[in-house]
Amino acid sequence: AQTVTQSQPEMSVQEAETVTLSCTYDTSESDYYLFWYKQPPSRQMILVIRQEAYKQQNATENRFSVNFQKAAKSFSLKISDSQLGDAAMYFCAYRNHELTGGGADGLTFGKGTHLIIQP
Amino acid sequence: DTAVSQTPKYLVTQMGNDKSIKCEQNLGHDTMYWYKQDSKKFLKIMFSYNNKELIINETVPNRFSPKSPDKAHLNLHINSLELGDSAVYFCASSPLEENNEQFFGPGTRLTVL
Repeated sequence: AQTVTQSQPEMSVQEAETVTLSCTYDTSESDYYLFWYKQPPSRQMILVIRQEAYKQQNATENRFSVNFQKAAKSFSLKISDSQLGDAAMYFCAYRNHELTGGGADGLTFGKGTHLIIQP
Repeated sequence: DTAVSQTPKYLVTQMGNDKSIKCEQNLGHDTMYWYKQDSKKFLKIMFSYNNKELIINETVPNRFSPKSPDKAHLNLHINSLELGDSAVYFCASSPLEENNEQFFGPGTRLTVL
């Protein structure tokens, strides 16, 4: 079974600074997908960024980028120019590439990192 | 034009009752899911379902059962509610293509007294 570990229960960063959230995972698969989801106080789950394991290039979405180290099974999220609206819980998630049965595979989540933005 | 909707958003009930949470998606997706988020914010998959297969997380008690009247709906029925069932329950959907994200509903906060 796959596991996802987020070792930072809480992180704090000054507005406009850069912060990195860490995530490691364990899997015996070679092809898979990794995601970062954001959950603000509204509790809506919002996809921030995704990475296909077979792609060597790190994914980037505006101020959000990842550092994907496949051999180390590490998938960190970097947020540049932090904004007050970035304050939220951030979840790292994993999904197999090879879908089982009819294709219904859920996400395996880490325990989350609570990101605080200091004005 | 909500993509994935859940009703109700809040549900307060007594131990021992039976309750249902409804989920509907208007995205035309093939696969739907139920997740449970506990008081420590930990999210865990409960069920995955499409028209071919139901995958049940083995840790989910059989008091929980998903029911899909059609492709756009996956409702969650819970029998004999227990205090430990208090949590936020999220419905999600995704297309069948392998690399697509899951779209989450707004969540239902269930409180069992």
